[in-house]
Amino acid sequence: SQKIEQNSEALNIQEGKTATLTCNYTNYSPAYLQWYRQDPGRGPVFLLLIRENEKEKRKERLKVTFDTTLKQSLFHITASQPADSATYLCALDTGRRALTFGSGTRLQVQP
Amino acid sequence: DVKVTQSSRYLVKRTGEKVFLECVQDMDHENMFWYRQDPGLGLRLIYFSYDVKMKEKGDIPEGYSVSREKKERFSLILESASTNQTSMYLCASSLPGTTSYEQYFGPGTRLTVT
Repeated sequence: SQKIEQNSEALNIQEGKTATLTCNYTNYSPAYLQWYRQDPGRGPVFLLLIRENEKEKRKERLKVTFDTTLKQSLFHITASQPADSATYLCALDTGRRALTFGSGTRLQVQP
Repeated sequence: DVKVTQSSRYLVKRTGEKVFLECVQDMDHENMFWYRQDPGLGLRLIYFSYDVKMKEKGDIPEGYSVSREKKERFSLILESASTNQTSMYLCASSLPGTTSYEQYFGPGTRLTVT
């Protein structure tokens, strides 16, 4: 089955810097990869979707890359702000109608 | 705005009780999902449904069942609650078809089984 690895250690960065989070997967390459944000005690909120034939996707200060050779996606937040502090989850399609989620990486942006 | 609501934010039940978790979405989505989330394990799929009365097992269906009698409502049932089912339960919905569509999540139900 598909296995997803996200850094379980929290990422601490200074305000204004670029945060980079990693999502690695094993086995087959998914057709789609999604990123979600989750705040404590709340459900995840969708941020971005990238397809396997897309190398990069941007939305405001967010950028996602998808490297099917490395089996890796990188999620970048530029000019990070304390309000960006949250847990970020990546999710892959599984070849059926459901997604498989990683366990997430907690980002802490220090003012 | 898509809204997914769950019947309770917090729930405390005793071992052996039958537990019903309700989820309702207002966007006419065909797909609905139930996950549980535990520290270090992320979101794990319990069951999902892609149409009324249709259901498919996810990765951890043991000890759970589901019901989808109406399009907007998807219920998760713990037939006989056990302490290892203490968790955060999240419901989600999405448009039909492939997983190219984003999932909309409810606020979650934190269930404690004592």
